[in-house]
Amino acid sequence: AQSVTQLDSQVPVFEEAPVELRCNYSSSVSVYLFWYVQYPNQGLQLLLKYLSGSTLVKGINGFEAEFNKSQTSFHLRKPSVHISDTAEYFCAVSPLGSGGSNYKLTFGKGTLLTVNP
Amino acid sequence: DVKVTQSSRYLVKRTGEKVFLECVQDMDHENMFWYRQDPGLGLRLIYFSYDVKMKEKGDIPEGYSVSREKKERFSLILESASTNQTSMYLCASSQASGRGGDTQYFGPGTRLTVL
Repeated sequence: AQSVTQLDSQVPVFEEAPVELRCNYSSSVSVYLFWYVQYPNQGLQLLLKYLSGSTLVKGINGFEAEFNKSQTSFHLRKPSVHISDTAEYFCAVSPLGSGGSNYKLTFGKGTLLTVNP
Repeated sequence: DVKVTQSSRYLVKRTGEKVFLECVQDMDHENMFWYRQDPGLGLRLIYFSYDVKMKEKGDIPEGYSVSREKKERFSLILESASTNQTSMYLCASSQASGRGGDTQYFGPGTRLTVL
């Protein structure tokens, strides 16, 4: 079984400041890692995902995340945020491999990023 | 563009009513999922389906059932709605690539209120 911990439930920042949203996971098997974003009154959409290869993953809207296997972390970063980045961000994992239960995602509880002018 | 549509954005039902939430995807995806989203709890998986007529329980299946008669449509059924089922319900679909790590595509959600 997998679990995901998002260490901050809310992160307020000022526009143009850098931001880091923290995510740690626990799993007895290797995992794929995801970050999803939910803008107000919308469904979730994929920001980025780590499957294999380079541990630094670049996503949409200038976000990036780094996979750290030894620390079981997958923190999300952006060097300069905009008002439009205000949203809830979810970290998620799924076990390596295909078939049946391997397609399921386990989500963290979310981090609400609020960007203030 | 992948499109996942849900039958209603907002729904108000009474305790004891039978409730159907419908989800349709247009990308021929094998996998479909139903989640509920509650403040401070994130997304929790209710049921998922990896093929027509196939279903598997998620983490919180109690009080729910599902139906998948056609590949593009996945229905969530509340047999007898209760107030603790007031929530946001999100449907998602994904391809079954054979490697895993497939992106899930989400619908806009249905906010259900049970009075």
